[in-house]
Amino acid sequence: QSALTQPRSVSGSPGQSVTISCTGSSSDVGGYKYVSWYQQHPGKAPQVMIYDVSKRPSGVPDRFSGSKSGNTASLSISGLQAEDEADYYCCSHAGSYTSVVFGGGTKLTVL
Amino acid sequence: QVQLQESGPRLVKPSETLSLTCSVSGGSITNYYWTWIRQPPGKGLEWIGYIYYSGSTNYNPSLKSRVTIPVDTSKNQFSLKLSSVTAADTAVYYCAGGQQLVTLDYWGQGTLVTVSS
Repeated sequence: QSALTQPRSVSGSPGQSVTISCTGSSSDVGGYKYVSWYQQHPGKAPQVMIYDVSKRPSGVPDRFSGSKSGNTASLSISGLQAEDEADYYCCSHAGSYTSVVFGGGTKLTVL
Repeated sequence: QVQLQESGPRLVKPSETLSLTCSVSGGSITNYYWTWIRQPPGKGLEWIGYIYYSGSTNYNPSLKSRVTIPVDTSKNQFSLKLSSVTAADTAVYYCAGGQQLVTLDYWGQGTLVTVSS
């Protein structure tokens, strides 16, 4: 079971915008509308930031947005803040056999 | 607010079975997908498997031969059993749940399980 492909790291200055990509295949990201994004601070459990490709749970700032094109999903963060510095993981439904697959994770550094 | 708490041995010997339990409080275990996820030290998240409250399950194909996830609705708990462990199974193990398989709204704090003799 191959992980979805994410860049290992991205960075941006406070107030700037960044985008994190998540590339899979037609068997996962491209085949379903079920893509989620998780934020994980060091030593903490992950927290869902985006679900169903582009929906935000209550309490998540609207600076966070999600989208998908073909086999690639993206998480965009605008107006970067220091507390956004964390690891981000994408997650996708992958059919009835595999069920769920995670991306390898992206470390976001706020400069 | 639903809260999850993992419990179980923190140290397991090679070739033995890792057993963890996740206790669900603040809500019913029904109508949710209950999932186990692990994270080796310094590495990314790996999906282990899920159980729906009705009892249906599915597991990561790479672990399927060694994994069982039972549920006890009377105790509002679900468990993880991973057999024939090796050092490669050393990880922080998280229990999590959500109304959709890929949308995990609730997470336990995670517990580090070390496989060592």
